[in-house]
Amino acid sequence: NAGVMQNPRHLVRRRGQEARLRCSPMKGHSHVYWYRQLPEEGLKFMVYLQKENIIDESGMPKERFSAEFPKEGPSILRIQQVVRGDSAAYFCASSPRPGGNTEAFFGQGTRLTVV
Amino acid sequence: TQLLEQSPQFLSIQEGENLTVYCNSSSVFSSLQWYRQEPGEGPVLLVTVVTGGEVKKLKRLTFQFGDARKDSSLHITAAQTGDTGLYLCAGPAGNNRKLIWGLGTSLAVNP
Repeated sequence: NAGVMQNPRHLVRRRGQEARLRCSPMKGHSHVYWYRQLPEEGLKFMVYLQKENIIDESGMPKERFSAEFPKEGPSILRIQQVVRGDSAAYFCASSPRPGGNTEAFFGQGTRLTVV
Repeated sequence: TQLLEQSPQFLSIQEGENLTVYCNSSSVFSSLQWYRQEPGEGPVLLVTVVTGGEVKKLKRLTFQFGDARKDSSLHITAAQTGDTGLYLCAGPAGNNRKLIWGLGTSLAVNP
């Protein structure tokens, strides 16, 4: 049973370009969470999705950021018109059930660098 | 706003020594989780503590949840170089829909 797969592992974008980060959850997991990690700030929640639905996007900036988890295919975190401040490690986690008490399995992350 | 504070921020010790790291909050949590993260990797769950006063052991690691469920500690006995990593605590928040995280304790175990 493969773990959570994120790609790409590393992504370099110029300011103003779009970044697309992909996350394939573990088999049988229908709950996906995206987190952003910066050294000085730690891990911050961005968005929680269940198949085809956004459940909680309270941690995601209202502009330029969007997320989806379609019925078929991976979850996508999309950042439009990237700026230097978007440079960070983005982690996806999946779980078989909802709730913060449930074990979440993390991918290896995508390290986004905006130049 | 719920916050988790971890201490110390950095810890460098010799192999064979014992250590304790802490995760504190002014808020009550229904549970706390401890993760270990290595450079370039995602966090890996070590343990979840749920009951106030609970103690869980994982080989040389001992985790304790405070009686009031506001704090937790991780004690490592006879540290090994393989224990090197970032130790993170996290707790459920936002109607249990997400985790909030401490900044972590970066542990270096030297041979």
